Amino acid sequence: QKEVEQNSGPLSVPEGAIASLNCTYSDRGSQSFFWYRQYSGKSPELIMFIYSNGDKEDGRFTAQLNKASQYVSLLIRDSQPSDSATYLCAVSSGGFKTIFGAGTRLFVKA
Amino acid sequence: DAGVTQSPTHLIKTRGQQVTLRCSPKSGHDTVSWYQQALGQGPQFIFQYYEEEERQRGNFPDRFSGHQFPNYSSELNVNALLLGDSALYLCASSLGRDVSYEQYFGPGTRLTVT
Repeated sequence: QKEVEQNSGPLSVPEGAIASLNCTYSDRGSQSFFWYRQYSGKSPELIMFIYSNGDKEDGRFTAQLNKASQYVSLLIRDSQPSDSATYLCAVSSGGFKTIFGAGTRLFVKA
Repeated sequence: DAGVTQSPTHLIKTRGQQVTLRCSPKSGHDTVSWYQQALGQGPQFIFQYYEEEERQRGNFPDRFSGHQFPNYSSELNVNALLLGDSALYLCASSLGRDVSYEQYFGPGTRLTVT
C-alpha cells in the first residue's frame, strides 16, 4: 500500500465548475497535510496546508481533512484554465520527512 | 524577499561520474530538504539538513550525500551516477523549529545521465 495515494487522473472539468481532488494516507500519526500545484516543467508551489479536522478556505481553494477516514481533499471553486496543472498531496507525520503522492492531473476546459 | 534558488538549471553527466547540486534557502529559513522527482511521479524525500547536520534520510543509497553551510545553503552530491538517477532534483526550504513543516521549493535542477 502506498503511503499517500491520489487518483492520477486526468480530471477534466469545465471552466467555472468545482474541481474536487482527493488523497488518502496510510499513517494514522500524520499531523500536517499540504497541497501543492505543479505546472508542467516547473517546481511544486504550496497552495494550501491544513492540520486540524474540518475545512480550511483560502480564496477559491478549500482543503478538507478527515483524520478518522485518513482522507484529505482539495476543492477548487470557479475553476479556470490557468488551474490546469498536477496537484500533489503531501503528508508529514511529525518527523522531518514529507511524503508526496504521485499527483492528480487537472484539466479545466474553456 | 528572495525565494529558494538552485543551480545549475540543467546538467548532463555520464554514468559513473559525480555531480554536485546547490541550493540557497528562502530568506529567513534555516532548513533544507532535497527531493528527487522522476517523470510522472511525486517528489521523493532524499534527506533534510538542519544546523549543518543531516537529521533525517529517505530510502536513498549512500551515493547520495549532502552538506549544509553556516549560511544555511546546501549541496547535494551524487557519486557513481546511474542512468536511473536522471530526474528533477528539488530543494525545499523551511523553518526548522516550525512544526508545520511548510516547505517552499526552488526551481529544480534537471539532471540527465547518459
